Amino acid sequence: QSVLTQPPSVSAAPGQKVTISCSGSSSNIGNNYVSWYQQLPGTAPKLLIYDNNERPSGIPDRFSGSRSGTSATLGIAGLQTGDEADYYCGTWDNILSVEVFGGGTKLTVL
Amino acid sequence: QVQLVESGGGLVKPGGSLRLSCAASGFTFSDYYMSWIRQAPGKGLEWVSYISVTGSTIYYADSVKGRFTISRDNAKNSLYLQMNSLRAEDTAVYYCATSAETGTRNDYWGQGTLVTVSS
Repeated sequence: QSVLTQPPSVSAAPGQKVTISCSGSSSNIGNNYVSWYQQLPGTAPKLLIYDNNERPSGIPDRFSGSRSGTSATLGIAGLQTGDEADYYCGTWDNILSVEVFGGGTKLTVL
Repeated sequence: QVQLVESGGGLVKPGGSLRLSCAASGFTFSDYYMSWIRQAPGKGLEWVSYISVTGSTIYYADSVKGRFTISRDNAKNSLYLQMNSLRAEDTAVYYCATSAETGTRNDYWGQGTLVTVSS
């Protein structure tokens, strides 16, 4: 059971937009920055979004992030088949003193 | 460019030990906090441990506390994970990653090394 809760799967058609939610609590998302990672099949995770809504160099602006209260959301616009991957949210938990991840969401581009 | 290369994984019997290494290059290793994160086959990400730039601050997941030891050698640009009393549930791909001081993000990841605990 993950500390952060994500939907197991989402799907949408090419060109559409999808959002992935990440729910936590005041000890993690509510008081810390959230990051998002993309893991393409058979590869290591890659940082997609950090500090709730910042994109590392090289990440297209189709990817966006936001945080409200104890939840965070990843948005992916203009979906491409190459976006099919597992997506994870992550942050620090102040009570547990551990880094926590969501269980992951598998994105299918139909 | 930034490169993290893990090594030391393999097959080990329950109760055995293994030492993972992570060789860093392309950045100033001594400026970065570092973490080990694992992923069991077909499962999600699980954070394992985190170490500060000097090694003075260390955190562990409860699942490995008392069995695993994280360390670093800044002179050798290397991160380590000593794993003792291994269990079947420790079977996973182990990734090393650079970390923010706050523990809220991991910028760069290695390709991972597979640890299999089985008799």
